[in-house]
Amino acid sequence: AQKITQTQPGMFVQEKEAVTLDCTYDTSDPSYGLFWYKQPSSGEMIFLIYQGSYDQQNATEGRYSLNFQKARKSANLVISASQLGDSAMYFCAMRVPRDGGYNKLIFGAGTRLAVHP
Amino acid sequence: EAGVTQSPTHLIKTRGQQATLRCSPISGHTSVYWYQQALGLGLQFLLWYDEGEERNRGNFPPRFSGRQFPNYSSELNVNALELEDSALYLCASSRTNHYEQYFGPGTRLTVT
Repeated sequence: AQKITQTQPGMFVQEKEAVTLDCTYDTSDPSYGLFWYKQPSSGEMIFLIYQGSYDQQNATEGRYSLNFQKARKSANLVISASQLGDSAMYFCAMRVPRDGGYNKLIFGAGTRLAVHP
Repeated sequence: EAGVTQSPTHLIKTRGQQATLRCSPISGHTSVYWYQQALGLGLQFLLWYDEGEERNRGNFPPRFSGRQFPNYSSELNVNALELEDSALYLCASSRTNHYEQYFGPGTRLTVT
């Protein structure tokens, strides 16, 4: 069965430092996609970054990068130069096209990040 | 471009009643997804509609149902409400067969 595991319920980081949020996944399907979403206290889910299982390069979007280690089945999110506005819940998610639905997302339990000044 | 909108923002119901939640996708998006986020938990996939058809549903009882209208907006209906249905219900939309889902602000349902 497909599963996403986020083992860090909470993390904190000093402003302007980098932080890594962990995510491991489990699927036997060779074709899948991995996502990171940010959820501020307002509740809205904000798409941050996407990595396809066949992508050769690690995905990057501004201050966000995804450290994709396929053999370890990990997809850690790295936030560089943290800002106070980065304080939020962060969710890792997976899409497995053949899991009965092309765009169904499976989410992890989330990591709450607190950025301290 | 307007984002995904959901209504109402908050909904308070009593046990046994029915709740109706509404979602309007981004213009040009034909797929709508519903997720449930119970307190302290991650999101659980509920339903996926595309072009007016239910394409997939998560592991939820039949009292969770919905539909998609010709303008691609969607309704989620929850019948015979139970206390554990209290949660944030998030709607997302995407273009058909596009992986990127855009989420709305959610409807917080409280069942007393």
